[in-house]
Amino acid sequence: DAKTTQPPSMDCAEGRAANLPCNHSTISGNEYVYWYRQIHSQGPQYIIHGLKNNETNEMASLIITEDRKSSTLILPHATLRDTAVYYCIVSWDKLSFGAGTTVTVRA
Amino acid sequence: AAGVIQSPRHLIKEKRETATLKCYPIPRHDTVYWYQQGPGQDPQFLISFYEKMQSDKGSIPDRFSAQQFSDYHSELNMSSLELGDSALYFCASSRLTSRGETQYFGPGTRLLVL
Repeated sequence: DAKTTQPPSMDCAEGRAANLPCNHSTISGNEYVYWYRQIHSQGPQYIIHGLKNNETNEMASLIITEDRKSSTLILPHATLRDTAVYYCIVSWDKLSFGAGTTVTVRA
Repeated sequence: AAGVIQSPRHLIKEKRETATLKCYPIPRHDTVYWYQQGPGQDPQFLISFYEKMQSDKGSIPDRFSAQQFSDYHSELNMSSLELGDSALYFCASSRLTSRGETQYFGPGTRLLVL
């Protein structure tokens, strides 16, 4: 049973910001919102995570709504190497991967 | 920075053979997770260990077993291999911090059962 809902695919122009939405209306109080990406059968790569507050690191920003029922991952300046499947996961231990969003960055 | 190490990276086995996959976590990480990713599928949780004890179990076949050793490395043992076991097997390691427990994945072992 999927705990998150993401659009199946998204295109983005190189150099532009990519905003990836995720719905997680059944998130529990102790669950974090994690974002991972997987580039062509490589190991999933951790991007960012948060509990309630917005977060930013060198890769991305994470915006979590006040009710915690949805979030947005922002890649500020997409490059061709950001083409990947992006997974939004709510968890406090094991990760349950859903279908993810296939992001294609085009030149 | 040190990452999760998995060996072997590629493995080819015949049906009904056995296979052992190894995972070496990031230093000071005490928790190991195993995931299986079949062709065209998303990773699925198999089993996890915390401080050498099994902490959770997912859809892991009875033919598979795993353990975590005193140096925190983990091994996934797979017996009576079937064609359907052909998949990528990822190991992830983590440790609990004030910001939760972020898992970092290894590069995976690609298992092909013929």
